[in-house]
Amino acid sequence: SQTIHQWPATLVQPVGSPLSLECTVEGTSNPNLYWYRQAAGRGLQLLFYSVGIGQISSEVPQNLSASRPQDRQFILSSKKLLLSDSGFYLCACQQGASHSDTQYFGPGTRLTVL
Amino acid sequence: DAKTTQPTSMDCAEGRAANLPCNHSTISGNEYVYWYRQIHSQGPQYIIHGLKNNETNEMASLIITEDRKSSTLILPHATLRDTAVYYCIGSRTNTGNQFYFGTGTSLTVIP
Repeated sequence: SQTIHQWPATLVQPVGSPLSLECTVEGTSNPNLYWYRQAAGRGLQLLFYSVGIGQISSEVPQNLSASRPQDRQFILSSKKLLLSDSGFYLCACQQGASHSDTQYFGPGTRLTVL
Repeated sequence: DAKTTQPTSMDCAEGRAANLPCNHSTISGNEYVYWYRQIHSQGPQYIIHGLKNNETNEMASLIITEDRKSSTLILPHATLRDTAVYYCIGSRTNTGNQFYFGTGTSLTVIP
C-alpha cells in the first residue's frame, strides 16, 4: 500500500514570502496526486490535481501553483503568500482514475501566514 | 458531481451503534459514495465506499438506498476514538477522480 510523506509538518511564514510544500509518495507508480486546503473549521477544498508528470489541473484560481517534476513528487508553491493562504494543506494519492479508486491522504502541513 | 448533505453534528453513546446519514439526491449513475473521517489535525482517513450494494469492512457498514439518493454509515460499536468529523463524498471523474468535501458531520462519542 502507498505511503504519503509531506513536509514540513508545520510552517509559519510572513506575508509576501515564498512557499514550497512537498509531497512524495511511496509504494505506487503513476498515481493521481491532489492538493487540498482546509481553512480553520471548514471542509477540504481541492486546489490542484495531476494525472501525470508535468500535468497539472487547477480547481481554484489563486496565487498558488503546483508542479509535478517526478512521478511520485508533487509540489505546492507560491511566490508571495497572503494571509488567506493560512490553513492545513493535504496531499492525496490515488492509484487509478475511476470512480472506484480510493484516495489516500498524507499527514498534512499546517501553514500559518502572519 | 454529487452535492452531499449531512447533519452538522451528532452524539453517540460509547458501545452503541453510530448511524450517520448522508443525502446525495443528485448523484449520477456512475458516481460512488465515499466516506472518510478526520480526527483533529490529521489527514482524512478512508473508511468505505460503495456504488449500489451495501458494503461492510472491518471499520464500518455502508447502507445505500435503492434509489441511491441517500446512504448511512454505520459504526457498529462506537468507541471514544471514533470521535471525528465524518465526510460523505460523491466522486467525479473527468481525467482525475476529484473529490469534493463538504463540512461533514462532527460525531462525538460520549462515555
